[in-house]
Amino acid sequence: QQPVQSPQAVILREGEDAVINCSSSKALYSVHWYRQKHGEAPVFLMILLKGGEQKGHDKISASFNEKKQQSSLYLTASQLSYSGTYFCGTEEPGNTPLVFGKGTRLSVIA
Amino acid sequence: DVKVTQSSRYLVKRTGEKVFLECVQDMDHENMFWYRQDPGLGLRLIYFSYDVKMKEKGDIPEGYSVSREKKERFSLILESASTNQTSMYLCASSIMSLQGTMNTEAFFGQGTRLTVV
Repeated sequence: QQPVQSPQAVILREGEDAVINCSSSKALYSVHWYRQKHGEAPVFLMILLKGGEQKGHDKISASFNEKKQQSSLYLTASQLSYSGTYFCGTEEPGNTPLVFGKGTRLSVIA
Repeated sequence: DVKVTQSSRYLVKRTGEKVFLECVQDMDHENMFWYRQDPGLGLRLIYFSYDVKMKEKGDIPEGYSVSREKKERFSLILESASTNQTSMYLCASSIMSLQGTMNTEAFFGQGTRLTVV
C-alpha cells in the first residue's frame, strides 16, 4: 500500500520554507526521500532509519516518527533549484522493497 | 560515479509486439529494479532482482517479465504490448548493505518513455 504524501503540490517564493509529509498505515523500518527534477531521473536525498532520527542535507532536513509511521521533509529558505517532485519511499520490516508515494510537486518561483 | 543506462529514451511500439527494455549498471550492484511512472501515481515497482538469475514480483507485475543473466544487466520484457502499458519506465540499482538490506541509496536511469499504439 502506497504511503500518503501531502500536500500534492505547493508553490513557494524563493526564501520561503516548506514541509512535505509522508504517512503510512504500516509499521516502518525506514523512510527514503528522493527528488526528481523535470525530465530527469530521481535522485536520492536521504534515508531515515527507525529511532526517530532527524537528518540534514544542506537546507533540507527530515524527521521520522516510527510510532506514528510518519516522516516529514523540511525545506528551509527554498531556492529555485529545489523545484521538482519529491517522493518518499517506505520500507517495512523484513527487507521488502520500497513502496513510493505519489509524489509532491514543489515549484519555487522568483 | 554510478551510471545506470537505459537503452532507449523514447520508444514507439505497436499493440501486440514483444518489447525489450534494457538496463545496464556499471557499479557491480547486487540489486536492480524496474518501475513504471505515471502522472499522479508515483513510482510503482514492477519487478526486482537481488542476484543474477533471481527475480521477484513487485506490485504490478502483470503483463511483464524480466531477465537477469548477468549482474550488470536487467531486462524488462513486455510479452504482448498493450496501450495501457504506455508509460515512463525507470530502472534503478542499489548495493546490498552489510546488514543484507536492498534498500540503500538507489541510482536511477534516465527512463524510457514507451508509447504503444
